[in-house]
Amino acid sequence: SQTIHQWPATLVQPVGSPLSLECTVEGTSNPNLYWYRQAAGRGLQLLFYSVGIGQISSEVPQNLSASRPQDRQFILSSKKLLLSDSGFYLCAWKGTRDPWGTDTQYFGPGTRLTVL
Amino acid sequence: AQTVTQSQPEMSVQEAETVTLSCTYDTSESDYYLFWYKQPPSRQMILVIRQEAYKQQNATENRFSVNFQKAAKSFSLKISDSQLGDAAMYFCAYSLTPIQGGSEKLVFGKGTKLTVNP
Repeated sequence: SQTIHQWPATLVQPVGSPLSLECTVEGTSNPNLYWYRQAAGRGLQLLFYSVGIGQISSEVPQNLSASRPQDRQFILSSKKLLLSDSGFYLCAWKGTRDPWGTDTQYFGPGTRLTVL
Repeated sequence: AQTVTQSQPEMSVQEAETVTLSCTYDTSESDYYLFWYKQPPSRQMILVIRQEAYKQQNATENRFSVNFQKAAKSFSLKISDSQLGDAAMYFCAYSLTPIQGGSEKLVFGKGTKLTVNP
């Protein structure tokens, strides 16, 4: 079966510090990968998606960047965090071919980021 | 651009009763996917049910069913025999299909907080 991991689960960082959040998927290959952010009291907003190694598309201009160094690894980074970067970050994967199905995104447990 | 609207910020239901959560969406596409996700206090997003727009038959998953009205662009979720564990935020979401290309990103509504009273 497929599983998706995110770490860390919780992170408190000072303004201006760097950030690295990691997401890994097991049990599938060549997935589409997504980073979403959920601000307090809001729905999810897509930040980045990737259809393959080294292929990153950004949905929203911001202080963050993403990378995909391996097929099943997706990293969200920042060189200098802002207060507005606080939120709940969710990684998701979607299959691109059978038998994993190609219609549904499955989410990881998320990372709660607080920038002080 | 596609949008998803959930007009009920909060709903409550008595345990064992039935509740319906509303969702409307706007799109110019004829084929797409619709989803309901549940986000319990742990905040992990869990798929509840999915519907393909070209299918006329409403999707069902055990106690969960949808009322999909394509012409009205409405996609409501019915929870039967509500249980305490159903208490959560429920998000309606839309995505394009792989055939249409692009990111196939999920566009989410703002959610409905469901409380289940014992």
